[in-house]
Amino acid sequence: GENVEQHPSTLSVQEGDSAVIKCTYSDSASNYFPWYKQELGKRPQLIIDIRSNVGEKKDQRIAVTLNKTAKHFSLHITETQPEDSAVYFCAASRGGTSYDKVIFGPGTSLSVIP
Amino acid sequence: GAVVSQHPSWVICKSGTSVKIECRSLDFQATTMFWYRQFPKQSLMLMATSNEGSKATYEQGVEKDKFLINHASLTLSTLTVTSAHPEDSSFYICSAEARQGGFQPQHFGDGTRLSIL
Repeated sequence: GENVEQHPSTLSVQEGDSAVIKCTYSDSASNYFPWYKQELGKRPQLIIDIRSNVGEKKDQRIAVTLNKTAKHFSLHITETQPEDSAVYFCAASRGGTSYDKVIFGPGTSLSVIP
Repeated sequence: GAVVSQHPSWVICKSGTSVKIECRSLDFQATTMFWYRQFPKQSLMLMATSNEGSKATYEQGVEKDKFLINHASLTLSTLTVTSAHPEDSSFYICSAEARQGGFQPQHFGDGTRLSIL
């Protein structure tokens, strides 16, 4: 089955700096890669996703890159702000069928220091 | 759009009690709902995939008789933790996937914090 690894497990950055979180996956058939942000005690919220036919996607300060050959994808947050502090999860799935399951990475706890 | 409601948000009960958690998609039809368990400072562990009108598919290591899942309609799935014990205490969270095909993100409920005394 699919296995998703994520690094680093914790990350501290100064406000205004960039943060990068990297993930690898094992199932070559995975073709949909969402990223979720979870604040303490709250639900995970989708912040950006990417499909396998795209190498990069950007939404304001957030960008995701995908390398299908190497089976890794990364989240980039620029100009970090204190409200970006949360746990971030990458995930992978075989998107496109009704019964896909999404496998989550172990998470990265991001702290943005004012 | 794409709102998922989960109830209750917090449950405290005695050991041996059965607890039912509801997951509802409020503004879309959910072909599939997923149930996760999350321990403090850990990732979401998929317990089972719930498909409307059919039996749930459980992940390896998850007891079917312990965690009963029902998905009777396109907007409601329930998870019943039967004869709950302290080791079942955890944060349970559901997610729902829209009926349309293609790449559909999962939308999560607010979760249920279950504490068994």
